[in-house]
Amino acid sequence: AQTVTQSQPEMSVQEAETVTLSCTYDTSESDYYLFWYKQPPSRQMILVIRQEAYKQQNATENRFSVNFQKAAKSFSLKISDSQLGDAAMYFCAYRSPTSGTYKYIFGTGTRLKVLA
Amino acid sequence: GAGVSQTPSNKVTEKGKYVELRCDPISGHTALYWYRQSLGQGPEFLIYFQGTGAADDSGLPNDRFFAVRPEGSVSTLKIQRTERGDSAVYLCASSRTGTGPTDTQYFGPGTRLTVL
Repeated sequence: AQTVTQSQPEMSVQEAETVTLSCTYDTSESDYYLFWYKQPPSRQMILVIRQEAYKQQNATENRFSVNFQKAAKSFSLKISDSQLGDAAMYFCAYRSPTSGTYKYIFGTGTRLKVLA
Repeated sequence: GAGVSQTPSNKVTEKGKYVELRCDPISGHTALYWYRQSLGQGPEFLIYFQGTGAADDSGLPNDRFFAVRPEGSVSTLKIQRTERGDSAVYLCASSRTGTGPTDTQYFGPGTRLTVL
């Protein structure tokens, strides 16, 4: 079974600085999808960025980028020019294209604090 | 609708009572998912609907939990004989097809269930 591990329960970053959130996963599949979701206090999960495992190029979305290391099964999220609105829980998620249900497997999350 | 909505936002009940949680997915989305998020944890998969049918209910913890989606849109998660351990945030998500590499799940704000 696939597992997702986020080893940083909490991270802090100064406004305008850069922070990296870590995520590792375990799978025997060669094709899969990885996601970072943001969950603010409103509880609504918001998609930040996604990566398909067959793509070697790291995904980027404005200030958000990933460092995808397939061999190491690592999928970290880099947030550049951090803003106060980035403060939230961040969840890494794995999705298998072969399970038939496309359910997400989530990590335990990292709480990001942004300091003014 | 514009996004996934869930009602009620909060539900407090007593041990042993029956509760129903409602999810209105994005209009036209055929796939619908329920997740449970316990305090300090990431969301855990409960059940997946493709249209009206439950394609995967492997995440339901026991037979006290049941979900329906009779017309392929709105879904109701039903919990019988609630226990204190059922206290959690119940998240609903929908996606356009449930298949394919670009299919993305969009989440609702969740229902916080508290069992006293």
